[in-house]
Amino acid sequence: EPEVTQTPSHQVTQMGQEVILRCVPISNHLYFYWYRQILGQKVEFLVSFYNNEISEKSEIFDDQFSVERPDGSNFTLKIRSTKLEDSAMYFCASSVTGGATDTQYFGPGTRLTVL
Amino acid sequence: ILNVEQSPQSLHVQEGDSTNFTCSFPSSNFYALHWYRWETAKSPEALFVMTLNGDEKKKGRISATLNTKEGYSYLYIKGSQPEDSATYLCALLYYGQNFVFGPGTRLSVLP
Repeated sequence: EPEVTQTPSHQVTQMGQEVILRCVPISNHLYFYWYRQILGQKVEFLVSFYNNEISEKSEIFDDQFSVERPDGSNFTLKIRSTKLEDSAMYFCASSVTGGATDTQYFGPGTRLTVL
Repeated sequence: ILNVEQSPQSLHVQEGDSTNFTCSFPSSNFYALHWYRWETAKSPEALFVMTLNGDEKKKGRISATLNTKEGYSYLYIKGSQPEDSATYLCALLYYGQNFVFGPGTRLSVLP
């Protein structure tokens, strides 16, 4: 069964460094998402992406964040200058149509630790 | 920003017991409510999508109901098995907002 994959599974970085988290969505899906979960808190929506553009973003997704689909398979989240509070589990998801009732398929997550 | 709550926060049951937990929401102005099952170190897995008051969905021993008038959705597990141990998340897509997740209910089924 097709699945969303994410790399790396764990990333450790120093404060102020740039990180790129990678995701490979399911191949026939058109909508892509990033979520994060800070330890002990709820899962939070960051951004949705369709047709090579951001379609929605939350207040969390400020100028430090960017997303890109650099080729036909990868979907990346870049954090330009990491802060301690960026430490979290980051999940990528994809869906076929992006509709409210469409199932989003999640990847296993990347745990980001900012020191 | 509208919130989503889930109760209980965690639950321990014996194998074979049936159990249920709640997702509650303050407004019925949403497009859809999604239930996910999330095992440790794995990807959250979609269980159900619910939209209409009175919706009932079933997948094997797991079922869910939606009551938009009273502001809750129940998830039921009949005859719990150890492999049901996971965190169960609900998420709502409210009008004018992006997906809002509840804090989850962590279920442990003891053999």
